[in-house]
Amino acid sequence: GENVEQHPSTLSVQEGDSAVIKCTYSDSASNYFPWYKQELGKRPQLIIDIRSNVGEKKDQRIAVTLNKTAKHFSLHITETQPEDSAVYFCAAPTGFQKLVFGTGTRLLVSP
Amino acid sequence: DAGVIQSPRHEVTEMGQEVTLRCKPISGHNSLFWYRQTMMRGLELLIYFNNNVPIDDSGMPEDRFSAKMPNASFSTLKIQPSEPRDSAVYFCASTRGTSGSSYNEQFFGPGTRLTVL
Repeated sequence: GENVEQHPSTLSVQEGDSAVIKCTYSDSASNYFPWYKQELGKRPQLIIDIRSNVGEKKDQRIAVTLNKTAKHFSLHITETQPEDSAVYFCAAPTGFQKLVFGTGTRLLVSP
Repeated sequence: DAGVIQSPRHEVTEMGQEVTLRCKPISGHNSLFWYRQTMMRGLELLIYFNNNVPIDDSGMPEDRFSAKMPNASFSTLKIQPSEPRDSAVYFCASTRGTSGSSYNEQFFGPGTRLTVL
């Protein structure tokens, strides 16, 4: 089955800096890669996803890039703000509608 | 739409007691997932249903755990007997599953924080 590794486990940045979180996957047939954000005490919520037919997708200050050859995808957050502080999870498919999640990255944005 | 609804939001029980967690998926969604989240193990998929049928229960930790989905709008996760190591946040999520190769957003419920003393 699919295996997802996520790095780093924690990331501290200053407000306004950029943050990058990277995930690698093992199954070359995987074709869908979502990113979820989980604020403290809240539920995970989808913030962006990418399908394997594109290499990059942007939504305002967040973007995701996909390198199918190297089997990795990354979340990029520009101009970080304190409200970006949360745990971010990547995921990859591993069966019918089934996802396997990475271990999470705790992002702390300091004012 | 109210989103995915879970109850109770918090549950504190004693070891050996039966615990039942409940979930109502988003109307029109035909796939439902039960996850467990802990600091040590992260977000783990326990079981998921498609069109009310259990598809994969390989993540269910042991026979003490069972799940049912009697209809499209209701699912339960039961732990009997409960143990302190079952303490975690349990999330239910739903999605509109269309085909095996097409994935859609999973919408998570608010979770049930379970504490087993």
